Amino acid sequence: EAGVAQSPRYKIIEKRQSVAFWCNPISGHATLYWYQQILGQGPKLLIQFQNNGVVDDSQLPKDRFSAERLKGVDSTLKIQPAKLEDSAVYLCASSLDYSLYEQYFGPGTRLTVT
Amino acid sequence: SQQGEEDPQALSIQEGENATMNCSYKTSINNLQWYRQNSGRGLVHLILIRSNEREKHSGRLRVTLDTSKKSSSLLITASRAADTASYFCATSGAGSYQLTFGKGTKLSVIP
Repeated sequence: EAGVAQSPRYKIIEKRQSVAFWCNPISGHATLYWYQQILGQGPKLLIQFQNNGVVDDSQLPKDRFSAERLKGVDSTLKIQPAKLEDSAVYLCASSLDYSLYEQYFGPGTRLTVT
Repeated sequence: SQQGEEDPQALSIQEGENATMNCSYKTSINNLQWYRQNSGRGLVHLILIRSNEREKHSGRLRVTLDTSKKSSSLLITASRAADTASYFCATSGAGSYQLTFGKGTKLSVIP
């Protein structure tokens, strides 16, 4: 089966610019996650969707980050305006359901903010 | 804040040797998972162990869980160069389905 798709794979922007990342989860997976992984650290959950509803966005910096999952399939994560500390890999993952199932990760988008 | 803490931070072994990584966590969990991350395949789920289980095997992987000590270990037997990667433990807390990852152990297997 096809895995989790993400684009772009790499992005370089200047601080205060905006950027958007796209994710297409595995077909049939109800739960979608966005993680931020800073170099040398483990992934940190930003937001979790169940179908097209938000389950948890407690760690999402809502003053600059936003995310949506239209029609319960694809999702976009946006940063506006970007800061230097947003430089990280943004990982999208999906799972069949939110309850204890393993998560399948996409290749990630490496963001560099200069 | 990150729940799991892996130990050691880095590990270098010869091909064919066994590799052991440890994970400690602070609060009660529903389950603990181990993931592997390398540049070729991204982050991949390896194994899940539930809080009422003590040991689990999958191929060359053996995971143990000691809830009284709030710790887990991952053993990779007969390591191969392809096992070179970072290994993360991730916990799901009681009453929450959120996964919290540690900082990882970077394993290097020398051919």
